Formats: sequence, C-alpha cells, structure tokens
Amino acid sequence: EVQLVQSGAEVRKPGESLKISCQGSGYIFTDYWITWVRQVPGGALEWVGNIDPSDSYTIYNPSFQDHVTFSADTSIRTAYLHWNTLKASDTAMFFCARLPYSSPRDWIEPWGQGTLVSVSS
Amino acid sequence: DIVLTQSPGTLYLSPGDRATLSCRASQSITTSYLAWYQQRPGQAPRLLIYGASRRAHGIPDRFTGSGTGTDFTLTISRLQPEDFAVYYCQHFGRSPLMYTFGQGTKLEVK
Repeated sequence: EVQLVQSGAEVRKPGESLKISCQGSGYIFTDYWITWVRQVPGGALEWVGNIDPSDSYTIYNPSFQDHVTFSADTSIRTAYLHWNTLKASDTAMFFCARLPYSSPRDWIEPWGQGTLVSVSS
Repeated sequence: DIVLTQSPGTLYLSPGDRATLSCRASQSITTSYLAWYQQRPGQAPRLLIYGASRRAHGIPDRFTGSGTGTDFTLTISRLQPEDFAVYYCQHFGRSPLMYTFGQGTKLEVK
C-alpha cells in the first residue's frame, strides 16, 4: 500500500525555524515527485510547490518562494518542508502528497495525513 | 492566472438525493487538467476525478465528472452519509507550472 506519513503537530514562535517531514512507503520513492499543499484553518487548499526526490529539483509557487525550502533524503524516503523564519501567518495545516509517475503530473494522490503548524507568540 | 470559482458555497441535501456541484474557470482550460477532491472533516483530501471525467481508483460510480471549456460539474447520485464533506476542484497549469484549487463546496445534511 502506498502511504505518506507526516510528522506531528508543531508549535513555534514567530521568527523561529521549523522542518516538517513526509515519509513515503510502498513505492519507489525516487520515481515520484512530492508536492506540498497548505490549508489555512477553515480555508481552501493552496499549492506550495513540488520536489523531485531523485535529484532534489524544486518548483515553488511564487507566493511561497523565498519563504520555504524543500529537501529530500532518499536514504530514508523522506521529504522535508523547511522554514528559516516563521510568521504567525504560517499557521496552517500542511499536506504532502504524491504526483503521478510521469508528466504532466496534473493530479494529486495519495495525500499524507497533514501536519498542523501553529505559530504564535 | 486562472481562477476557479465553485458554487454553491454550501449545498444542503438529504441522503439519497442527487448533488450537482459547479466549478467555473476564469478562462477556458484543458479538460485533461481538471480534477475533483473530497475532504471529510479532519482528513486529508482524496482524489475523486481526474481528466474532468475519469474516476480515480476505488471511487464509486455514483461520482461523475463532466464539462469542458470553463464549466465543469461533479455529480453525486444517491448521496450516502459518508458523502457529506467539502469538495474542491483543481486545475493544473503547465506554463507556468501551477496547481490552482477552487474555494470548495460544502455538502451538508438538510
């Protein structure tokens, strides 16, 4: 069974850094891109960006570029989403998900269970 | 940038009813790149439909996607209790690469 398991909820203060994780299982991790999606409380879904774990090639939504960073460690089949400097407005649920094997990679499935990030002073 | 507008915001129906959810794009889009997701409370989204009309693996045939151009529809026939959830449409743009979601339609029990 293909699964993406994300790290647990995090609470941080503004200005702090954070890295959350997404571990894939049940498939060849380097064969599929990972995407990250944000959902603010009670809000809709927003695409954050994609990473190709095979070479760490990344594409970011311009709205998130320069504020988040993706990385991957193929030895443990894990992708990461990292913030250097959190803001209160980063409070949201973040989902990782897998993209289709080949281009155009236009739909998203399956999804991780989500990681809730809370940023408050 | 393409904007997806879903309507209605909330739809009140009863189990056994037929639900019709709309997703309108701000400009004509490639039919192949329109998907629908279901999100139950406290859960991650789940892919229902891709390519505007293709059911994802394991999705019951009471879920049907249709439409072309700017107007797309998700129809759920014979609503089951587990179908009451929020539904999102999503467009994939190739250049620049972008995944755009609608704001969602909440399906609630009347």
